[in-house]
Order: sequence, then structure tokens, then C-alpha cells
Amino acid sequence: EAGVAQSPRYKIIEKRQSVAFWCNPISGHATLYWYQQILGQGPKLLIQFQNNGVVDDSQLPKDRFSAERLKGVDSTLKIQPAKLEDSAVYLCASSFQKYPLSTDTQYFGPGTRLTVL
Amino acid sequence: EDQVTQSPEALRLQEGESSSLNCSYTVSGLRGLFWYRQDPGKGPEFLFTLYSAGEEKEKERLKATLTKKESFLHITAPKPEDSATYLCAVQGDSNYQLIWGAGTKLIIKP
Repeated sequence: EAGVAQSPRYKIIEKRQSVAFWCNPISGHATLYWYQQILGQGPKLLIQFQNNGVVDDSQLPKDRFSAERLKGVDSTLKIQPAKLEDSAVYLCASSFQKYPLSTDTQYFGPGTRLTVL
Repeated sequence: EDQVTQSPEALRLQEGESSSLNCSYTVSGLRGLFWYRQDPGKGPEFLFTLYSAGEEKEKERLKATLTKKESFLHITAPKPEDSATYLCAVQGDSNYQLIWGAGTKLIIKP
């Protein structure tokens, strides 16, 4: 079974530029998550999708971050404009979870390491 | 407020030297506690889910246990390939988000 795919693996940009990350979840997984992981910390949830609807985006900085999941499969996370503090690894995860409050294992992709100069 | 604290931050062991990692949590109504392993430059890899106090799960040299306040990840006779950061996360009744600890960086010297 193919795992969660993410691209690109690495990205270096100047501050105030824009960047986009792509994620393809495990086939059949209804729920998709985007996390931000700063070095030395645990992942921080940015947004959770159930199929193509947003379940939770309470920690997404909406003035600069946006995300979409068209057709309930692939997802894109965008940052515009980027700030120095956005330097982090952006992880995508998916789970079979059919309902938001169910407990199900999240499977992670390899992440995208973003460096903002 | 739901919270997860992992200790120690880092642990250096000799190959074969058994030890334990700790994950202390406060959550209203535990739905599940998750252990993940993360290698440098990779995403977290799922290890175990524990649901209730007294539960134990094993995989190769790893054994996870759960009480009402904490979980332990016991590593028996570790090998250098067990070197990684081990992350703990909990899901409670009040919030379906996973609350993550900062991880324990484990280094096994040959």
C-alpha cells in the first residue's frame, strides 16, 4: 500500500515570497491533516479536512496560510507571504477516520522542509 | 487544558542497555494515546495506540504501557537502529485533535 506522498521535499524562499506544498493521502483515507513541526517540537495541527470539508482550522494563520482539498483527495497548502518564522517542516497525514471524533491512526508523509531567508 | 510532557528530552544509551521513556499527560477523558518514532528528515512513523489504563503493547524491542497519568515506552536491549526521536500524543474527549509532546531523542551507541 502506497503511503502519504508529499512534494516538494525541500524549499528555500525569500521572505514575502509565496510557496505551495502538495499532499496525496493514502487511498481511501477520508481525513487529511496538515501539521507544522518546528525543530525540537512536536507537530502542531494547522488544518484538518474530512473528505473535502474543513473540520478544524483554528490554528491556521489565515492572513497568510490557505489550504484546499479538492474532490476529497489531494490537498495543497499555501503560504503567502512567507515570514522568517514559517521556517519549519510541513507534514501531511491521513487517516481512515470517517467521523471527526473517532480515534484512528494518523499516517504521515515525509514532510517538506521550508527555509525562509 | 490538555497537555503532554515527555522526559527526558534526550537519552544516550550503550547498545544493549535497557531503559524507559516517559510521557505524562493531562486530558479530560482519554480516547487514545499514540507513540510514534521519527527519524531525521522523515515523518513520524506509527508505533502503538493505547486506550485504557493497564493496557500494554509490544513490538520487537519496544513495549508501551499506560496508566491514568502517564505512559512508558520501554526499550529492551536497544540497537543503534533504534536511535530516533520518539513522540507521544494524546486524544481526549474535549478535543479531537492530537496533543503532541516535544519528543525524546534517543541515541544508542554501538
